[in-house]
Amino acid sequence: DSGVTQTPKHLITATGQRVTLRCSPRSGDLSVYWYQQSLDQGLQFLIQYYNGEERAKGNILERFSAQQFPDLHSELNLSSLELGDSALYFCASSVAGTGNQPQHFGDGTRLSIL
Amino acid sequence: AQSVAQPEDQVNVAEGNPLTVKCTYSVSGNPYLFWYVQYPNRGLQFLLKYITGDNLVKGSYGFEAEFNKSQTSFHLKKPSALVSDSALYFCAVRDSDSGNTPLVFGKGTRLSVIA
Repeated sequence: DSGVTQTPKHLITATGQRVTLRCSPRSGDLSVYWYQQSLDQGLQFLIQYYNGEERAKGNILERFSAQQFPDLHSELNLSSLELGDSALYFCASSVAGTGNQPQHFGDGTRLSIL
Repeated sequence: AQSVAQPEDQVNVAEGNPLTVKCTYSVSGNPYLFWYVQYPNRGLQFLLKYITGDNLVKGSYGFEAEFNKSQTSFHLKKPSALVSDSALYFCAVRDSDSGNTPLVFGKGTRLSVIA
């Protein structure tokens, strides 16, 4: 058990809808990362927050947004969903925002767009 | 810019034989290197890391990796493979001089250990 909790585990919705994915980091970790994993694109970094502030941005679409709350949990919002957004979405956390600390991953949310 | 390559999509090995999963990287400064493993329907699980010091790094479940600066490689190894080692393995790199740049992951190598 990594200590990172993601909810829900599965999400099925339709095109054009909006969903929110939730992540609780490991106790003591200040940094949260979001990734998208699909068969054709591999593991893609989306965005990182550190202690409530956005730290780094990757290949995140404008339809997607995220935030980290004062209690350090994070939410990833996906809107105007398209079929191509179907993927596994992972959250990871680490103690610090940079450097040599490993990231610890949750078990992901599997998003299916019908 | 930083990048990482895992040249093999699939590695097959017989149980009890040694295994190697290859990784090469490119950074402008000094690398921080990581290996992760992903089992079906699970998140990535940290195996080991190289930051500095001894080129041979030992990690979880009997895995080790050798950092080779001249060949810019960080291959994952295990002396004797188990069927339970069958999984997807990811190498990741971060340039130690890159400020806030996040980890870059390879595309993954699927390891199959055959009984």
